[in-house]
Amino acid sequence: QQQVKQSPQSLIVQKGGISIINCAYENTAFDYFPWYQQFPGKGPALLIAIRPDVSEKKEGRFTISFNKSAKQFSLHIMDSQPGDSATYFCAAKWGGGSNYKLTFGKGTLLTVNP
Amino acid sequence: NAGVTQTPKFQVLKTGQSMTLQCAQDMNHEYMSWYRQDPGMGLRLIHYSVGAGITDQGEVPNGYNVSRSTTEDFPLRLLSAAPSQTSVYFCASRTATRASENEQFFGPGTRLTVL
Repeated sequence: QQQVKQSPQSLIVQKGGISIINCAYENTAFDYFPWYQQFPGKGPALLIAIRPDVSEKKEGRFTISFNKSAKQFSLHIMDSQPGDSATYFCAAKWGGGSNYKLTFGKGTLLTVNP
Repeated sequence: NAGVTQTPKFQVLKTGQSMTLQCAQDMNHEYMSWYRQDPGMGLRLIHYSVGAGITDQGEVPNGYNVSRSTTEDFPLRLLSAAPSQTSVYFCASRTATRASENEQFFGPGTRLTVL
């Protein structure tokens, strides 16, 4: 199954709060899990990524938590800001060599209220 | 570097018309791809290319053609547009080395409406 299931579909958080977006997968061959951030009218851009041999990766206010046994990973945005309002996509890499592909979750629209 | 550029930004077509969405990158990336984004559907891969002269189908290729004559350009052709092809189209590129952490760069998108 080359699917990644993402939830919630939309999320509203107050400024300063924690935003949490979850993703789950079935294919244990996935070996790289990036998150993309997309602002309205723009293309997605890489935000942060993790390998499955690491349980957590933190970059500033953004943290990925990875649970290999449960086949789940999540994005945590600490101290959420209105500027974080965007659509977030989780993704998973599959396929070998240079011809690998990314399969994307369906996206989460995050709104951070001031 | 301009990165990944796409033209046009917006396009309205009538059913049955044909058109080409342009994509170019100046990063010398071997791998280029086209995605479509629909509400609640995420990003779905249409076609991709691992180098000049090499293309292959993605998840939703029907109704679309591609070619790759140069490293820089990867146009997407709609031969006979249908309302189901109303979407936002994104072109992306990355290097084709074996490393996992090859960031995929996306263009700004083309919003296509088929009436």
